[in-house]
Amino acid sequence: QVQLLESGPRLVKPSQTLSLNCTVSGDSISSGDYYWSWVRQHPGRGLEWIGYIHYGATTYYSPSLQSRVIISVDTSENQFSLKMSSVTAADTAVYYCARAGYSSGWYSDPWGQGTLVTVSS
Amino acid sequence: EIVLTQSPGTLSLSPGERGTLSCRASQGVSSSHLAWYQQKPGQAPRLLIKGASRRATGIPDRFSGSGSGTDFTLTINRLEPEDFAVYYCQQFGSSVWTFGQGTEVEIK
Repeated sequence: QVQLLESGPRLVKPSQTLSLNCTVSGDSISSGDYYWSWVRQHPGRGLEWIGYIHYGATTYYSPSLQSRVIISVDTSENQFSLKMSSVTAADTAVYYCARAGYSSGWYSDPWGQGTLVTVSS
Repeated sequence: EIVLTQSPGTLSLSPGERGTLSCRASQGVSSSHLAWYQQKPGQAPRLLIKGASRRATGIPDRFSGSGSGTDFTLTINRLEPEDFAVYYCQQFGSSVWTFGQGTEVEIK
């Protein structure tokens, strides 16, 4: 059973860099079969796609965030990471990592449990 | 960027009724590139439908998806108490993936 688990600081100061890791168990992140993505959800709001990385270093980001976001992979730890720079209170959200792939249709599954990151001084 | 617009924003229904949720894309999306999710408070989204109409593993057959091009539908037959939640569509049709804003199915 594949599981994803987010980790990282829950409180980040304005203008600093938000850093989260997603540790994958039950699958190899370097297999090349899947796309490893980040999604966030502002309190009481809908889902916002942040971006993904495919092994081989192909990355795509939301146009509204791409100037501040980097997604990378650490195959030795079987995890992928999100870094978001110059954060403001508007970046306070629950951050989810998810595996995306194709099998009779594209999908995102499974998802991590999510981690609430608060941007505040 | 493909924009997905879900309607209605809120659907008020009673258990046992049928719910019909719409997801409209700003440009054509291949059916294979459209998925639906259910999210309950405090939980991560749960995959319901992939490829517009294929139920994910373990999803009851009261959930069905249909549509093509720019118009997609999620139908929930005979609503059960556990089906009251927020539902999102997601498209994978371009390099920039996007979600609809969600439809809340609430108890009438």
